[in-house]
Amino acid sequence: SQQGEEDPQALSIQEGENATMNCSYKTSINNLQWYRQNSGRGLVHLILIRSNEREKHSGRLRVTLDTSKKSSSLLITASRAADTASYFCATDLQGGSEKLVFGKGTKLTVNP
Amino acid sequence: DTEVTQTPKHLVMGMTNKKSLKCEQHMGHRAMYWYKQKAKKPPELMFVYSYEKLSINESVPSRFSPECPNSSLLNLHLHALQPEDSALYLCASSQSPAGSRYQPQHFGDGTRLSIL
Repeated sequence: SQQGEEDPQALSIQEGENATMNCSYKTSINNLQWYRQNSGRGLVHLILIRSNEREKHSGRLRVTLDTSKKSSSLLITASRAADTASYFCATDLQGGSEKLVFGKGTKLTVNP
Repeated sequence: DTEVTQTPKHLVMGMTNKKSLKCEQHMGHRAMYWYKQKAKKPPELMFVYSYEKLSINESVPSRFSPECPNSSLLNLHLHALQPEDSALYLCASSQSPAGSRYQPQHFGDGTRLSIL
């Protein structure tokens, strides 16, 4: 079953601009993770934010989490053509499940 | 280069064939996963192994048979597949079988499977 829903489904920007992707989920979580997938490749873990955290940074990435709204956002600043990829949020289920449930993903295109 | 290695990268097989997908990791991770991903869709969990024991089977048809011979290896045996089984099959691992809580999963680049 699907837990996360990203929006927008597709985003096209120019190099140097910021890109913001949003994720909403349905049930209580322990953590929320963001992954990147380049075309034809596996997923790469970007950042994990725990349910008791509100914001986290990693390089050009900034993730926020609002558990009251069951939503998260991923901001990529000063985007580069190499950031072109699909981005997925993934949530576990509170209660100890080993499952990660992925959202539908946002396809980001950064034009040079 | 990814730390999870999957072979083969591409596989074409007929509906009556038997083949196996292989996954290997040497990070000492004790949880390993199989996912199926259709084009333009998110990965869907198929199986989870914790300490070499099957802990989750997401109601996957029996034509997919997982095997974990040791803590570094994960296989997916395929038999009598259907055309709708054509997809990218991803293997992943995480450090502890205590679940994915607070732990990222490390993915291989997948096997692109086509069923004729």
